[in-house]
Amino acid sequence: EPEVTQTPSHQVTQMGQEVILRCVPISNHLYFYWYRQILGQKVEFLVSFYNNEISEKSEIFDDQFSVERPDGSNFTLKIRSTKLEDSAMYFCASTSGGGPYEQYFGPGTRLTVT
Amino acid sequence: AQSVTQLGSHVSVSEGALVLLRCNYSSSVPPYLFWYVQYPNQGLQLLLKYTTGATLVKGINGFEAEFKKSETSFHLTKPSAHMSDAAEYFCAVSDQAAGNKLTFGGGTRVLVKP
Repeated sequence: EPEVTQTPSHQVTQMGQEVILRCVPISNHLYFYWYRQILGQKVEFLVSFYNNEISEKSEIFDDQFSVERPDGSNFTLKIRSTKLEDSAMYFCASTSGGGPYEQYFGPGTRLTVT
Repeated sequence: AQSVTQLGSHVSVSEGALVLLRCNYSSSVPPYLFWYVQYPNQGLQLLLKYTTGATLVKGINGFEAEFKKSETSFHLTKPSAHMSDAAEYFCAVSDQAAGNKLTFGGGTRVLVKP
């Protein structure tokens, strides 16, 4: 069964460093998402991406964040200068259509900022 | 803005007993509603969803949920708990006007006692 994959599973970085979290969505999917979950808190929407551009972003997704689909398979989330409060589990998701289709989630990347 | 409230961050049930997880939502438009399950160290997996039509929806692993518009609720049930049901469960609403981003409740962790 096709699945969304994410690398790395765990990333430790120092405050102020740049990190890139990588996702490989399901191959025929067209809509891509990033969510995050700070320990003990809700899963929060960050950004959605369709047709090579951001379709929606949350207030969390400020200028420190960017997303890219550099090739036909990868979907990346970059945090330019990490802060302690960026420590969280980051989930990538993808779906085939723009309606109420199931979003398929990856296993997540745990980002720890020290 | 949409929101989701899950009553009870932790639920403990005996094996074979009824599982009832409560979810209430607020939405300014007819909602699309979802229940996801997260097993340890895994991503979120869709249990079931409501879009339109029949208000009682059946999902995987014997779970079902009923959409009650008058109560703005989408409670999840399973008649007989199994040890393998121990996981965290998330209720979510989809925002059709915002790239179908998901807004999640806080999650309910289910413990199944033998």
